[in-house]
This record gives sequence, C-alpha cells and structure tokens, in this order.
Amino acid sequence: KAGVTQTPRYLIKTRGQQVTLSCSPISGHRSVSWYQQTPGQGLQFLFEYFSETQRNKGNFPGRFSGRQFSNSRSEMNVSTLELGDSALYLCASRPLTGAYEQYFGPGTRLTVT
Amino acid sequence: EDQVTQSPEALRLQEGESSSLNCSYTVSGLRGLFWYRQDPGKGPEFLFTLYSAGEEKEKERLKATLTKKESFLHITAPKPEDSATYLCAVQADQTGANNLFFGTGTRLTVIP
Repeated sequence: KAGVTQTPRYLIKTRGQQVTLSCSPISGHRSVSWYQQTPGQGLQFLFEYFSETQRNKGNFPGRFSGRQFSNSRSEMNVSTLELGDSALYLCASRPLTGAYEQYFGPGTRLTVT
Repeated sequence: EDQVTQSPEALRLQEGESSSLNCSYTVSGLRGLFWYRQDPGKGPEFLFTLYSAGEEKEKERLKATLTKKESFLHITAPKPEDSATYLCAVQADQTGANNLFFGTGTRLTVIP
C-alpha cells in the first residue's frame, strides 16, 4: 500500500506571497492532519480534516488554511508569507476506526526569503 | 495544558551499548502515547502506540513501556542504523480532537 505523498517536496517563496501544499493520504484513510515542524518549536498541529470538514484547529493565525476534497486529498494554504513560516510541513493520515496512530508523509520543505 | 518532555535531548552510544529514552507527559486524559522515529529530511515513521499503564510493545531492538506519568523507549544492542531522532507524542481523550502533541525529541547517534 502506498504511503502518504506530499507535493511539492521543496519550495522557495518570497515574503508576502502565498503558497499551496498538497497531500494525498494512504488509500482508505479519510482523516488528514497537517503539522508544522521547526527547529525551535518542534512539531505543532495545524488542523485536521475529515469528510471535507475541518474537525480541529491548532493555535495558528488565520493565514493558515486548508481544505479536503471528496477523494480525501487535502491542501493547505499559507497567505502573506512571513520569514517565520519557513518550516517542514507534514501531512499525516489515519484510518477512522481502530488504532489512532497517524502515518506521516515526507513533508514539504518551505523556505521563505 | 498538555505537555510532553523528552530526555535526554541528545544521546551518543557505542554500537551494542543499550540505553533508554524518556518521555514524561501531562495530559487531561490519555487516549494514546505514540513513538515515532524521524530521519533527517524525512517525515516521522510510526513505531508504537501505547494505550494504558503497564502496556509494553516490542519491535526488533526497540521496546516501549508506559506508566501513568512517563514512557520509556529501551534500545537493546543498538546498531548505527538506529541513529535518528525519536519523537514521543500524546493524544488527549477529547471529543473530536485527534491531534498529536509532540515532544521535542531525542537525537540518537550510534557509533560503530
């Protein structure tokens, strides 16, 4: 079974621009979560989607948003990029029933200059 | 407030030298505690889920244990390929909340 895939893997943007990252979950997984990983703060939860609805949101500004499509694929968008948004953005999927563990993709490395 | 503290921050071991990593947690109702391994430039790789105090899980040279306040990841006779950052995360027992709250990790280096 293929794992979680994320595109693009690397991205360089300028302050003030916006960016869209994409995530395809493991086949059959309907819940998708997004995390930001930085050296200073570690892994921090951004939001979770299930059935095209946001179920839970972390403590991030409104510039960070996301959505989920009917095929469970998800996108996250960051508007008006700041230097501090430079990070590894990770997507994770999980099955709805049974164990609660989440399976992570390889991440998108975003650099804001 | 949910809190996860991992120690030590970094650990250097000789190949074959067994040791343990610690994860202390404070959470309002534990649904699960998770261990992940992360290699540089990659996403975290799932290792174990522990649900209740006294539970133990094993995989090759790794063994995870759980008490009401902490979890240990025991590494027996490590090899250089075990070098990675090991992350601990908790999931609180809150309706509608499936997010994981992570510690900052222990960076393990195993020297041949």
